[in-house]
Amino acid sequence: QVLLVQSGPEVRKPGSAVRLSCKASGGASSTYAVIWVRQAPGQGLEWMGGIIPVFDTTNYAQKFQGRVTITADDSTDTVYMELSSLNSEDTAVYFCARESVPLRGFDLWGLGTLVTVSS
Amino acid sequence: EVVLTQSPGTLSFSPGERASLSCRASQIVSSNYLAWYQQRPGQAPRLLIYGASSRAPGIPDRFSGSGSGTDFTLTISRLEPEDFAVYFCQQYDRSSYAFGQGTKLEIK
Repeated sequence: QVLLVQSGPEVRKPGSAVRLSCKASGGASSTYAVIWVRQAPGQGLEWMGGIIPVFDTTNYAQKFQGRVTITADDSTDTVYMELSSLNSEDTAVYFCARESVPLRGFDLWGLGTLVTVSS
Repeated sequence: EVVLTQSPGTLSFSPGERASLSCRASQIVSSNYLAWYQQRPGQAPRLLIYGASSRAPGIPDRFSGSGSGTDFTLTISRLEPEDFAVYFCQQYDRSSYAFGQGTKLEIK
């Protein structure tokens, strides 16, 4: 059974950057898409970007273009998301999600990582 | 980018009732790559429906999805107490994985 293990909570100052990780355990395949989604307190789900590691292709939501970078390390089955120029509105829980079968929705989710941006 | 609109933001029902949730896309969703998720407080989202109408493994058959093109519906045939949660639609055509803003199902 594949699990997604996310890195721990982070606290950052405005203007800085944060890098989060999402490690797949238990037979992960690099063929499948991995996405990053965030959820601000009391708000909905916001897609940030995604990667298909085996093709090393990425795409990003327009809102985050130029500020987010998603990369993958096939050797460790880990996907990273770096968000720069942080401000207080980036305070949120950040989830990674992966599809077990291509193009059948995202059935595997990490537990989320809380990022707090505060001076 | 495709924009998904879910309305209304909140729906009120009693357990046992039938609920229908709407998701409308700003342009045609290619190959009906449309999914529905349920999210309970403090939890990660849970995949219910993919391909607009296919139930994910382990999802009870009271959940069903329908629609194509730009209009999609999630139906819960008989609401159980655990179904009162927030529901999100998502399109996933590889160019975008955008979500709708969600519909909260609350107990009347």
